[in-house]
Amino acid sequence: DGGITQSPKYLFRKEGQNVTLSCEQNLNHDAMYWYRQDPGQGLRLIYYSQIVNDFQKGDIAEGYSVSREKKESFPLTVTSAQKNPTAFYLCASRAPGAITDTQYFGPGTRLTVL
Amino acid sequence: AQSVTQLDSQVPVFEEAPVELRCNYSSSVSVYLFWYVQYPNQGLQLLLKYLSGSTLVKGINGFEAEFNKSQTSFHLRKPSVHISDTAEYFCAVSDAGTASKLTFGTGTRLQVTL
Repeated sequence: DGGITQSPKYLFRKEGQNVTLSCEQNLNHDAMYWYRQDPGQGLRLIYYSQIVNDFQKGDIAEGYSVSREKKESFPLTVTSAQKNPTAFYLCASRAPGAITDTQYFGPGTRLTVL
Repeated sequence: AQSVTQLDSQVPVFEEAPVELRCNYSSSVSVYLFWYVQYPNQGLQLLLKYLSGSTLVKGINGFEAEFNKSQTSFHLRKPSVHISDTAEYFCAVSDAGTASKLTFGTGTRLQVTL
């Protein structure tokens, strides 16, 4: 089955610790995205990558870092510099094209800082 | 810059009644428009999209939406809702030229009751 997987589903972190969220896709999509979701605020873009070894900051990149060493993988690290990391994190990949352009989402990771 | 407004944060409706979820956008360029649905603790699932062509777009689960360029709207409708339609619905817009990033509305919670 083709799709996007995120792991783990639930993640708990102590204050001051870095943590890495996994995102893998087997859809052969070039572009991948990370969003943060908070209640009542919709989804906000953290980072995105349109091709391997390249990525750009989104609207709320402070306190986060990413890498894109492989087409299939786009891990997100939440650093200790992120002031309020408790949120639901969603990864997406994009199918380009004039009639197919769509972002497809993974199941999400809920991060809680204790 | 683009923006999306979903004026209704919650919409209560009885089962088998019709429903309309409103979405207005702001953009200085041509756009692609999307509706996604999110069930509790899950990722986003694409309901339907407008990229070009017919302004009336039909999606999954009996939903449809109409792109109105003059009113900059993309309202989502269903003639008869079911209990299983209870979920959060997000409208999103991207720049048709680059189509690289989605801007989301804050979401509308559809609550269907008997």
